[in-house]
Amino acid sequence: DAKTTQPPSMDCAEGRAANLPCNHSTISGNEYVYWYRQIHSQGPQYIIHGLKNNETNEMASLIITEDRKSSTLILPHATLRDTAVYYCIVRVANTGGFKTIFGAGTRLFVKA
Amino acid sequence: ETGVTQSPTHLIKTRGQQVTLRCSSQSGHNTVSWYQQALGQGPQFIFQYYREEENGRGNFPPRFSGLQFPNYSSELNVNALELDDSALYLCASSLGADPNYNEQFFGPGTRLTVL
Repeated sequence: DAKTTQPPSMDCAEGRAANLPCNHSTISGNEYVYWYRQIHSQGPQYIIHGLKNNETNEMASLIITEDRKSSTLILPHATLRDTAVYYCIVRVANTGGFKTIFGAGTRLFVKA
Repeated sequence: ETGVTQSPTHLIKTRGQQVTLRCSSQSGHNTVSWYQQALGQGPQFIFQYYREEENGRGNFPPRFSGLQFPNYSSELNVNALELDDSALYLCASSLGADPNYNEQFFGPGTRLTVL
């Protein structure tokens, strides 16, 4: 019951911008889009989230389309340490509450 | 500020046994979620506890159960272990129960191997 779709893998040259797309065409009006990443054998790490405006923090920028059906995570200057699986997530209603559904994510390879 | 911690880091059990995994949430967080991550897959939601009550459950059988304590730490219990239960078990804490408004902070996980 994943509500997001992402490409399975992407490559990026070190020092260049990495642009990771995500489709979330069924997103509701009050649902945020969250991005996490998981470096091999570690727990997922929060990156950024947004509702409808573009967002930027020290790690990344998030661009959300005007219709909110897709978004792009931008790592402005990718380093080898950014090699990881990146997950785009929206919440799903669940009995008595909500749950976070992770899809398969995008495996980003940053190459020297 | 202490992050999310989990114990043990690794565990080996045999089929049919029972296991208890532990999680200490980040200071000030009242919500804990548990996930199972099989090799090469994304984390799968097991359940969530908010202020000691379960308030969301994924598609896992009843032999997966949990507890949250007054200090908001948590346990995941799995009975009658099966080979397919071999996975990385992740705990995540957050300040509130709705993941729409609260980012989750994950622990390093417990690697469970069932033989």
